[in-house]
Amino acid sequence: QSALTQPPSASGSPGQSVTISCTGTSSDVGGYNYVSWYQQHPGKAPKLMIYEVSKRPSGVPDRFSGSKSGNTASLTVSGLQAEDEADYYCSSYAGSNNFYVFGTGTKVTVL
Amino acid sequence: EVQLLESGGGLVQPGGSLRLSCAASGFTFSNYAMTWVRQAPGKGLEWVSAISGRGDSTSYADSVKGRFTISRDNSKNTLSLQMNSLRAEDTAVYYCASHMTSVTTPFDYWGQGTLVTVSS
Repeated sequence: QSALTQPPSASGSPGQSVTISCTGTSSDVGGYNYVSWYQQHPGKAPKLMIYEVSKRPSGVPDRFSGSKSGNTASLTVSGLQAEDEADYYCSSYAGSNNFYVFGTGTKVTVL
Repeated sequence: EVQLLESGGGLVQPGGSLRLSCAASGFTFSNYAMTWVRQAPGKGLEWVSAISGRGDSTSYADSVKGRFTISRDNSKNTLSLQMNSLRAEDTAVYYCASHMTSVTTPFDYWGQGTLVTVSS
């Protein structure tokens, strides 16, 4: 099972928006509405930010939003803040054989 | 408060074995599927293995199938990962995580991780 494809980096100034893409196949991203996004700060455990493409867990700011079109999912962070600087990973359920696949990760820098 | 605390990591020689544990608290452990995810130094996340809440269904990544065994003891709120025939490429921080409900749902709580180093 190959990793989902994400851009290595993305950046924006405080207050701006940044969008990260996550490209898979019809066997994972395109086949299920089970795309999640995780935020990871250096040396810390990942944190769930978005699940089922566009749902936010309790406590996650509404500046974070998700969407999907075909085999590509996207995470948008609006109104960038300094604390949003982190690595972001997408993940998709990939069926009963491969279960889960993660993206390659995107480092978001707040300029 | 949900807490997941991994233990058992360390340095092991290639071909050796190690058993990781994850102590869970703050939720009804048996109601939730659990997963192991690993992260090699400076690399991305890799899903390793998952187990259903009752422990009657397990799944493994191809990279560890036949070498790793996931299990759980719901009476002790503990998740385990038995790792055999370890290779250098198994070197990583291993996280345990709870699913939101079943194994098809994402991982909403994570432990702090335990480092496994496979080296001679």
